[in-house]
Amino acid sequence: LAKTTQPISMDSYEGQEVNITCSHNNIATNDYITWYQQFPSQGPRFIIQGYKTKVTNEVASLFIPADRKSSTLSLPRVSLSDTAVYYCLVGEPGGYNKLIFGAGTRLAVHP
Amino acid sequence: ETGVTQSPTHLIKTRGQQVTLRCSSQSGHNTVSWYQQALGQGPQFIFQYYREEENGRGNFPPRFSGLQFPNYSSELNVNALELDDSALYLCASSFPGQGVKNIQYFGAGTRLSVL
Repeated sequence: LAKTTQPISMDSYEGQEVNITCSHNNIATNDYITWYQQFPSQGPRFIIQGYKTKVTNEVASLFIPADRKSSTLSLPRVSLSDTAVYYCLVGEPGGYNKLIFGAGTRLAVHP
Repeated sequence: ETGVTQSPTHLIKTRGQQVTLRCSSQSGHNTVSWYQQALGQGPQFIFQYYREEENGRGNFPPRFSGLQFPNYSSELNVNALELDDSALYLCASSFPGQGVKNIQYFGAGTRLSVL
């Protein structure tokens, strides 16, 4: 399973756009890139997943360059409630597979 | 709300005791995975159950064991508790083959404290 590297922490202010970049140099051909969000004392929550180019849903956008060695999670106009830990994971599709979490990125949104 | 429920929410045990944690998976999901999350760290995979059989295991000793029942609910058992077992234990359910791509749905977890 490919290892991911992401910033340990980030700070932002309400209303700003936040971009969290994840590096995954050894991503395999069949791997998808998945982002989870976790609030204190809760389980991680799926945010978005993609394979290449750009994916957008009601919560976030995911940008993946052609070489797929990195990806960027974009959160538009963050609010205080977006303060959480964000995890980037790579792996093959299929619910059988275990998820390999790193330390994640702690995002703090300030008023 | 993911539909995955775990019980109890909090638990305090002493070293050497045994503990059982429970998980009800989201309706229709036949795969359950368990994770251990120490404070300030990401979740670590313990094991996974698919149709009542263990389907993969992480780097955890045999005193961590599990069960999955015909209704796909699951238990995590930990024997001979150690202080380092203090953590948030997370259960996640999924349904392989339904077009989802490695997405797992987590419960809120059980906070275990070992004294």
